[in-house]
Amino acid sequence: AQSVTQPDIHITVSEGASLELRCNYSYGATPYLFWYVQSPGQGLQLLLKYFSGDTLVQGIKGFEAEFKRSQSSFNLRKPSVHWSDAAEYFCAVGEGSQGNLIFGKGTKLSVKP
Amino acid sequence: DTAVSQTPKYLVTQMGNDKSIKCEQNLGHDTMYWYKQDSKKFLKIMFSYNNKELIINETVPNRFSPKSPDKAHLNLHINSLELGDSAVYFCASSQDMGAPNQPQHFGDGTRLSIL
Repeated sequence: AQSVTQPDIHITVSEGASLELRCNYSYGATPYLFWYVQSPGQGLQLLLKYFSGDTLVQGIKGFEAEFKRSQSSFNLRKPSVHWSDAAEYFCAVGEGSQGNLIFGKGTKLSVKP
Repeated sequence: DTAVSQTPKYLVTQMGNDKSIKCEQNLGHDTMYWYKQDSKKFLKIMFSYNNKELIINETVPNRFSPKSPDKAHLNLHINSLELGDSAVYFCASSQDMGAPNQPQHFGDGTRLSIL
């Protein structure tokens, strides 16, 4: 069965520091991978997606993610974190036949001044 | 313009009541979804509809009944509410269920609290 694992429940980084959020997936075929961000009290906003081509994908708000098939990973990165990046981040894989998303349990990002 | 809108944003009610949450999308998408986010922030699919037809019905109590009057609307009706139904319910839409590379667009959620 497809699954997504986000090993880190909560990460705290200093403003201006670099960030990497980990995501591992289990999926038999070519995965369709997504990162979403959820700010407090808000819905989910798509940061970026991968389904083929270049394994390094660029998203909004300065985020990027790298797909590594050998490691079954799709880690999210940002070179310099801003206080406004504090939020919950969800990695998801698109289920091929029915189109729904299978989410990881999320990583909460806190940013300290 | 709000792409996926849900009403109400907050819903506080007592156990045993019946309530509905409405969802509308103005993106022209064919597929709509309901997700439940529990107190630990875990998101799980409940239902999906493609062009008004039920596609996914996960292991959800039959007290939950989705209704899609047209492909722009997917409402969720819940009978005999229980304490465990307290959660945030998200509506989402995507262009086509057969294109899993298409991102889903989410509403802002409905926070349901059962007293």
